[in-house]
Amino acid sequence: AQSVAQPEDQVNVAEGNPLTVKCTYSVSGNPYLFWYVQYPNRGLQFLLKYITGDNLVKGSYGFEAEFNKSQTSFHLKKPSALVSDSALYFCAVRAPNRDDKIIFGKGTRLHILP
Amino acid sequence: DGGITQSPKYLFRKEGQNVTLSCEQNLNHDAMYWYRQDPGQGLRLIYYSQIVNDFQKGDIAEGYSVSREKKESFPLTVTSAQKNPTAFYLCASSSGGLNTEAFFGQGTRLTVV
Repeated sequence: AQSVAQPEDQVNVAEGNPLTVKCTYSVSGNPYLFWYVQYPNRGLQFLLKYITGDNLVKGSYGFEAEFNKSQTSFHLKKPSALVSDSALYFCAVRAPNRDDKIIFGKGTRLHILP
Repeated sequence: DGGITQSPKYLFRKEGQNVTLSCEQNLNHDAMYWYRQDPGQGLRLIYYSQIVNDFQKGDIAEGYSVSREKKESFPLTVTSAQKNPTAFYLCASSSGGLNTEAFFGQGTRLTVV
């Protein structure tokens, strides 16, 4: 079955330090992977996606993510965290030939400490 | 501006009542989705529609109903059969290709009183 796992409920990082938010997936076939961010009482905003090609993808607000097929992972990263990055982050996957579902992980709350 | 609009932002329902949440998009997207968000459980798929006049159940469809009579609109009805309807509901749309991201509305917070 198609699934996404975000193993950390919360990640705390000091401002200015690099951050990583982890995501692993399980699909049949080649995945399409996405990261979204959610601020309190708002909808989700798209950050970046991996479709094919370069394993390192760059997105909005200085975020990037690394696709690793052998580890079935798609970790979100940023070289230098800002307090304004504090939010809830969701990883999502779509799989070929699996109709049009978008499956989300449970989310990881990122706290950037000043 | 193109976008996806959910209304109302806050909704209160008495037990035993049906309520309908509105979702409208002007992005000309074929696919639309309804998710329910509860603390610590992420987003769970209720229903989705890939094309007008067609929709499929998601993982937690029991107690909910939808319609897709127009491309722009995908209303969700929370029926009295839904035992625990208090949650944050999110509507999304996408152009339908697997490589495309979804666009989300701002959500409706439903509370049973």
